[in-house]
Amino acid sequence: QVQLRESGPGLVKPSETLSLTCTVSGGSVSTGDYYWSWIRQPPGKGLEWIAYVFYTGSTNYNPSLKSRVTISLDKSKNQFSLILNSVTTADTAVYYCARALDVTGYDLGYWGQGTLVTVSS
Amino acid sequence: SYELTQPPSVSVSPGQTASITCSGDKLGDKYTCWYQQKPGQSPVLVIYQDTKRPSGIPERFSGSNSGNTATLTISGTQAIDEADYYCQAWDSSTYVFGPGTKVTVL
Repeated sequence: QVQLRESGPGLVKPSETLSLTCTVSGGSVSTGDYYWSWIRQPPGKGLEWIAYVFYTGSTNYNPSLKSRVTISLDKSKNQFSLILNSVTTADTAVYYCARALDVTGYDLGYWGQGTLVTVSS
Repeated sequence: SYELTQPPSVSVSPGQTASITCSGDKLGDKYTCWYQQKPGQSPVLVIYQDTKRPSGIPERFSGSNSGNTATLTISGTQAIDEADYYCQAWDSSTYVFGPGTKVTVL
């Protein structure tokens, strides 16, 4: 069964860049027609999809974040990554990486445990 | 952008049926799924492609989707079902989440 684990700094200063990595085990990011996603959840609030990268490397972004976000695959390390530029306190959230349940991609069947990122000076 | 609405909260007595709605324009034309999230935990997919249950999800969870409304039904609700529930639609090749519904088992 595929497992995902997020990693990255827990504290980022305002105006700086947030960088997170999702390490995948039990499956390959470079095969299988899957979408690999990042989702976030501010404390006490709901879920917000950020972006996904397809196994081919093609990407899609939430329009509200598109200007500040980059998602990419690292096939050699079986990882995918998120970069969020010019962060503010509004970007404080638990960040999850996830994969669709199957190749249709319509849902998010596998989730990491999440990592809390706090934006503060 | 596409928007989904959910009631903020639903209360249910143990053993009774809880119904959680998710509304959006022509939602019945899109695939909808549901997640359960307990405090401090990652979301868990409980219904996908409108009506399907992933392996390991109890049969008391069921889903439907027609017109502008998708519904998650929990039959014979148990105390362990107390959680936040989020609907999610696949729209224009993006994931759109509803605001979430807190289910309280009284």
